[in-house]
Formats: sequence, structure tokens, C-alpha cells
Amino acid sequence: QVKLQQSGAELVKPGASVKLSCKTSGYTFSTSYMSWFKQIPGQSIEWIGMIYAGDGGTGYNQKFKGKATLTVDTSSSTAYMDLSSLTTEDSAVYFCARPYVYYGLLPYWGQGVMVTVSS
Amino acid sequence: DVVLTQTPSTLSATIGQSVSISCRSSQSLLDSAGNTYLYWYLQRPGQSPQLLIYLVSNLGSGVPNRFSGSGSGTDFTLKISGVEAEDLGVYYCMQATHAPLTFGSGTKLEIK
Repeated sequence: QVKLQQSGAELVKPGASVKLSCKTSGYTFSTSYMSWFKQIPGQSIEWIGMIYAGDGGTGYNQKFKGKATLTVDTSSSTAYMDLSSLTTEDSAVYFCARPYVYYGLLPYWGQGVMVTVSS
Repeated sequence: DVVLTQTPSTLSATIGQSVSISCRSSQSLLDSAGNTYLYWYLQRPGQSPQLLIYLVSNLGSGVPNRFSGSGSGTDFTLKISGVEAEDLGVYYCMQATHAPLTFGSGTKLEIK
């Protein structure tokens, strides 16, 4: 079955960067898309962007351009998201999710990873 | 960006009660090809969101048929016909017709 396994919780200092991973199994990663989302605890969900593993092509929410960089490693079926110049406003849970047929149809989600930005 | 307004923000229901959640969009979600990319997700406490409804009214895989979706244009509704205890959590509508993809503010369902 399809699985998306995200890396563990991160505690990072302001100004630093962090790289989150989403390791997949159970489907053909290299011909699929992956989306990433941000959720501040107690708040709604924001779409960060999406990447096509076939060619690394990306699309971003304008709000997250310059903040998030999406990449993939097809040899390990893993998607990554780099978050740079972190501030306290970046403290949130980040999810990866695999679209299916339509880019808003998301039956498969990672478990989420909490990123805490604090000095 | 498209703004999705959900009402109510909190809903309290007894087991077996039927409830509805409204989602109103700031723009029509009907695209030029005649498709409406409106989805509903449930996020149970401490969990990732799970797909309930896609393309307004289609039930996701494994989703109980007590859930149903309806609507068109800018007004959409999720109905739960006979709430069960496992239905507690936050319900989100989400649109993917207009970039960027956006979510509603959520409706928290509590069980009395």
C-alpha cells in the first residue's frame, strides 16, 4: 500500500535552514507528484507547492517562494523540502501528500513533522 | 487567492444526529471545462487530513456513505447523515480550481 513517511520533529534556531524528508513506498514515485502543506497548530492548512518527480518541475504558492524549495531523489523515492531563513512564523506542522489524478485529490498523506523555530 | 468561508466554525452534535457544514467561495469554482474542484477533508485530533469528498459530491475510497457533498458555483455543503463518535474532528473544504490551492478555515465537530 502507499506510504509516506516523514522525518522527525525539528528544533531549529532563527535564521537557520531545515530540510524535511518524505520517504515513499507502494507506488511509482518517479511518475508522480508530491505536494507540501503547512499547518500552524490550531489553524487551517496552507498549500506550499508541488513537485513532479519525473523531471523535478515545481509550482509554488507565491507566499512561499524564496522560503521553500522542493526537490526529489528518485533513487530513494524520497521528496524533500528545504525551508530557509527560518523565523518563529515558520513554526508549524508540515505535511507531504501525494495527489492522485487531480492535484487537489489527496488520499495519501505523511504523518506530519513539527518544526519549532526558537533560540 | 480564493477565500473559502466555512460555517459554522463549531458544531456540537449527538450520536445519530444529521448535520451540515457550509462552504462559500469568494469566486466561482466552476472552470472553463465544466469541472468544479471542490473537496472536503476531515482532520481528526493529532492526525493528518483524510479525504472525504472529491469534485463536490464523490465519496472518497473507504468513506462511509453517511457523508455526502453537494453544491455548485460558490456554495457547497457537506452533510453527515447520522453522526458517529469517530466523526469528531475538524472539517475543511478545499478548492483547486484556482491557483493557489486554498482551504477553508475549518469547522470543528464535537460530540455531545
